Amino acid sequence: GENVGLHLPTLSVQEGDNSIINCAYSNSASDYFIWYKQESGKGPQFIIDIRSNMDKRQGQRVTVLLNKTVKHLSLQIAATQPGDSAVYFCAEKNKGGSEKLVFGKGTKLTVNP
Amino acid sequence: DGGITQSPKYLFRKEGQNVTLSCEQNLNHDAMYWYRQDPGQGLRLIYYSQIVNDFQKGDIAEGYSVSREKKESFPLTVTSAQKNPTAFYLCASSLTGTGPNTEAFFGQGTRLTVV
Repeated sequence: GENVGLHLPTLSVQEGDNSIINCAYSNSASDYFIWYKQESGKGPQFIIDIRSNMDKRQGQRVTVLLNKTVKHLSLQIAATQPGDSAVYFCAEKNKGGSEKLVFGKGTKLTVNP
Repeated sequence: DGGITQSPKYLFRKEGQNVTLSCEQNLNHDAMYWYRQDPGQGLRLIYYSQIVNDFQKGDIAEGYSVSREKKESFPLTVTSAQKNPTAFYLCASSLTGTGPNTEAFFGQGTRLTVV
């Protein structure tokens, strides 16, 4: 829906700490979820994805958790580094014939040295 | 190198003029997308296409038009009917479905300023 006028939530962490970024999704039919990282003035970059038949997936320094019961997704970044400072978005897609890929609000992560 | 290319990076237009943003991909992806991003905001879906010669409206299609005559190309026209066209426009492409390797890849965006 429209979100004009609503600014991004922010998260500030110290370098070396773990970060947890949360996302709530609304479509219970969604069965594929993706996390993206967007640096200022650039296009989003893929970080990690997860399908609805899983509740956890790990990558390099990142873990995605999916709770279908409460329609909640989280991204955990271990040992956060200054280069992790960016805006993080979750996105959802459902396989019911539509390729519609819908993004969540996003969270701005700032890593303090 | 495979990828998705948007051009130009910066675009200035006078109010009342139509303008077309280019998006080309050589990833052999069937699905392509256009999003609008306002400062400090999220991505809002304008149009998407699952296959050549077919496209669907997203959440904010009013004032925009698209075409998908070729698999590689999905140009977006911002018409004079769009009331507030100044924004950052992002194009993406992906394989269809929700199986492995179906994540969307993004271009670097076009920043449109209407004066």
